[in-house]
Amino acid sequence: QAQLVQSGSELKQPGASVKVSCKASGYSFTNYAMNWVRQAPGQGLEWMGWINTNTGNPTYAQAFTGRFVFSLDTSVSTAYLQIYSLKAEDTAVYYCARNPGWRGTGWFDPWGQGTLVTVSS
Amino acid sequence: QSVLTQPPSASGTPGQRVTISCSGSSSNIGSNTVNWYKQLPGTAPKLLIYSNSQRPSGVPDRVSGSKSGTSASLAISGLQSEDEADYYCAAWDDSLNGNWVFGGGTKLTVL
Repeated sequence: QAQLVQSGSELKQPGASVKVSCKASGYSFTNYAMNWVRQAPGQGLEWMGWINTNTGNPTYAQAFTGRFVFSLDTSVSTAYLQIYSLKAEDTAVYYCARNPGWRGTGWFDPWGQGTLVTVSS
Repeated sequence: QSVLTQPPSASGTPGQRVTISCSGSSSNIGSNTVNWYKQLPGTAPKLLIYSNSQRPSGVPDRVSGSKSGTSASLAISGLQSEDEADYYCAAWDDSLNGNWVFGGGTKLTVL
């Protein structure tokens, strides 16, 4: 069945960058959109945006423009989230999630197991 | 402040029925379908209900979802200890360039 496996936890200093991977298996990678969701410690879920796995075109939620970049490597069925100029407030668990719909349709299933990014000096 | 409004907490005893509400507006719940996710402590969210009332394979029929106007509800009957978790509603919001929006989450406690 469909599965998303994310890279491991990261500890970074402020100002550094980080790249989180999300490897898909059990389905055709380019048939589904890939979304990214953030969960700060003790907080709720926040949608970051999505990437069209056919065209590679990313769409970012308003709060995630500028320092956040979504990318793909379709040859290995993997999506990436890169965050530049890390700040303490970027400390959170980052999830990838598959969507059978494109843009405003569908639902998120499955989800990756999450990647904890900690930003601290 | 979340775009969709959920009660922060809910509780019930084993066997009881509980409902969790999710209130939105015409730009989200009023014009798009609602999905619900369940999150156990320290784990990733899991799809519980999609398209307002559809259950994915493996979700028991004691779990149900509904939508009316700009509000949605999740109901769990025959409450069990395994239902203790955080629950989130979500919907597409057509405002601005469009966004997925979540409720703030409801922590369900089984007493």
